[in-house]
Amino acid sequence: TQLLEQSPQFLSIQEGENLTVYCNSSSVFSSLQWYRQEPGEGPVLLVTVVTGGEVKKLKRLTFQFGDARKDSSLHITAAQPGDTGLYLCAGARNTDKLIFGTGTRLQVFP
Amino acid sequence: GAVVSQHPSRVICKSGTSVKIECRSLDFQATTMFWYRQFPKQSLMLMATSNEGSKATYEQGVEKDKFLINHASLTLSTLTVTSAHPEDSSFYICSANERNIYEQYFGPGTRLTVT
Repeated sequence: TQLLEQSPQFLSIQEGENLTVYCNSSSVFSSLQWYRQEPGEGPVLLVTVVTGGEVKKLKRLTFQFGDARKDSSLHITAAQPGDTGLYLCAGARNTDKLIFGTGTRLQVFP
Repeated sequence: GAVVSQHPSRVICKSGTSVKIECRSLDFQATTMFWYRQFPKQSLMLMATSNEGSKATYEQGVEKDKFLINHASLTLSTLTVTSAHPEDSSFYICSANERNIYEQYFGPGTRLTVT
């Protein structure tokens, strides 16, 4: 059972466009992480959010944790080809195990 | 900081042989390490959780006798795929916790191909 559903699964956009990736669950998480993974490499941690309603910004990336801590979103402003990759959300539920989302594959064309 | 390495990065082996993959935390002590498997174009699937000095905890459906995990020190965990078969071909990734138990740092992965 996949507890974390991401949407969209695939996203293909032009450089300069904005986009939002969603990570949804019916379960509550104590924290949620976002990772970016490039082909043939391990995921790289982008951000951790722990408080309901929390918003964190990382340059052109804005992350939000839902008030009920069941969902999260990642918004990218003015996407660049270097943003291309697989974006994964992952939640923790008071244990050290992470439950990974289904993934969103982003392709940004120049 | 928080760098995790894996070795080898790629390995090709013949069906029936065993392969060992190493995962090291280079600049921190990892009390817990995790092993994941990733199929092409899919997300990560947790295989097992490994704590230093104790037996690994395997996820449901993962054969512990096939995927042997050893976590002998605070900086090293190994995954041995025994009697490998072509269906074991996959991308294997390890991760490790530092002090914050909710954040994991990932290795670069090992591509296993069984012929």
